[in-house]
Amino acid sequence: DAKTTQPPSMDCAEGRAANLPCNHSTISGNEYVYWYRQIHSQGPQYIIHGLKNNETNEMASLIITEDRKSSTLILPHATLRDTAVYYCIVRDNNAGNMLTFGGGTRLMVKP
Amino acid sequence: DTAVSQTPKYLVTQMGNDKSIKCEQNLGHDTMYWYKQDSKKFLKIMFSYNNKELIINETVPNRFSPKSPDKAHLNLHINSLELGDSAVYFCASSHLPWGTNTGELFFGEGSRLTVL
Repeated sequence: DAKTTQPPSMDCAEGRAANLPCNHSTISGNEYVYWYRQIHSQGPQYIIHGLKNNETNEMASLIITEDRKSSTLILPHATLRDTAVYYCIVRDNNAGNMLTFGGGTRLMVKP
Repeated sequence: DTAVSQTPKYLVTQMGNDKSIKCEQNLGHDTMYWYKQDSKKFLKIMFSYNNKELIINETVPNRFSPKSPDKAHLNLHINSLELGDSAVYFCASSHLPWGTNTGELFFGEGSRLTVL
């Protein structure tokens, strides 16, 4: 799997959009971008994933650059409950290999 | 009802002991996993079972032995515990094996193991 690089921490004001970047410059054509988050003392929670098109669901939007070397997870209206560690992972769905979650970005949503 | 449940949530034990962590999922999923999260929050796959059969076994010491009595359960037994085994262990499940476009893993709440 391609490696990812994320900032270790970010702050966001409550009610504002949180934009979490992820660099995956060595991504290959078959690799998807996945985002999970882990709220303190809980198990990781799936957020969204995509291949090359932008994706949106009830939790977030995923913007993938045209060259696929980076992506941004957008939480449109961050709440205090969105404070968590956000993990960006890339993997090949056809390879049968498993996820390894790196250090992630610790997002702190402040009132 | 909790989708993926693990017991115990906390486990404190002495070096050299043998302990087990149990995991059950009520989602009807075919594939279950064990992950280990270290102090730096890196989460690494240990094992994966599909319909009670082992499909992934990463480089994990032989002291760790998963057991899957049925596809809803995947237990983790650890022999001769060492200090370095202290970590949070997460069980997870998915509808299809990870080699397919399953997209989503469902994780349990984690079991914090402390070896003294």
